Amino acid sequence: AQSVAQPEDQVNVAEGNPLTVKCTYSVSGNPYLFWYVQYPNRGLQFLLKYITGDNLVKGSYGFEAEFNKSQTSFHLKKPSALVSDSALYFCAVRRGDFGNEKLTFGTGTRLTIIP
Amino acid sequence: NAGVTQTPKFRVLKTGQSMTLLCAQDMNHEYMYWYRQDPGMGLRLIHYSVGEGTTAKGEVPDGYNVSRLKKQNFLLGLESAAPSQTSVYFCASSYGSGNTGELFFGEGSRLTVL
Repeated sequence: AQSVAQPEDQVNVAEGNPLTVKCTYSVSGNPYLFWYVQYPNRGLQFLLKYITGDNLVKGSYGFEAEFNKSQTSFHLKKPSALVSDSALYFCAVRRGDFGNEKLTFGTGTRLTIIP
Repeated sequence: NAGVTQTPKFRVLKTGQSMTLLCAQDMNHEYMYWYRQDPGMGLRLIHYSVGEGTTAKGEVPDGYNVSRLKKQNFLLGLESAAPSQTSVYFCASSYGSGNTGELFFGEGSRLTVL
């Protein structure tokens, strides 16, 4: 079975400060890892993914995430937070083998950027 | 460019009533999914489809049925609604087998069962 843990329900960051949203995962084999963002009353939007290669992946809106195999983590980061980054963030994982198309999502972390 | 469209966006049902949620995508995606989102529980997969005419159970399929008669549409049915099915439902789609899993989501359908 595969699973994702987002240990923080809520993260508050001052505008302009760096932000980190934590994610750890459990999956057999090689993981495909994803971050999605959800704005109020909207569907989820894809931010970035790790499939293979460089452990640091860059995505939309200046976000990046670092894959750490030994710690089974995929934390989302941004060097300087904007008020518009306030949203609900979901980490997701799936096995990286052909045919297994199901993503497992974490419970989400609400990020609030304080002006 | 509509992407993934869900109808209706809001619905209130009484216990025991039935209804169908419609999801339509215009990206020619092979895979389609129905999730439910509940506070503190993230997104849970109800049913999914890997192509026209095929469906499969996700992690929380009980009380729901689905059909994929046309490639672009994926219907989610509740035959006898229960208060535990009060939730926000999201449809998503993705490219066919071998893809790297990026999902495209609809805007959601908020269902309340009284």
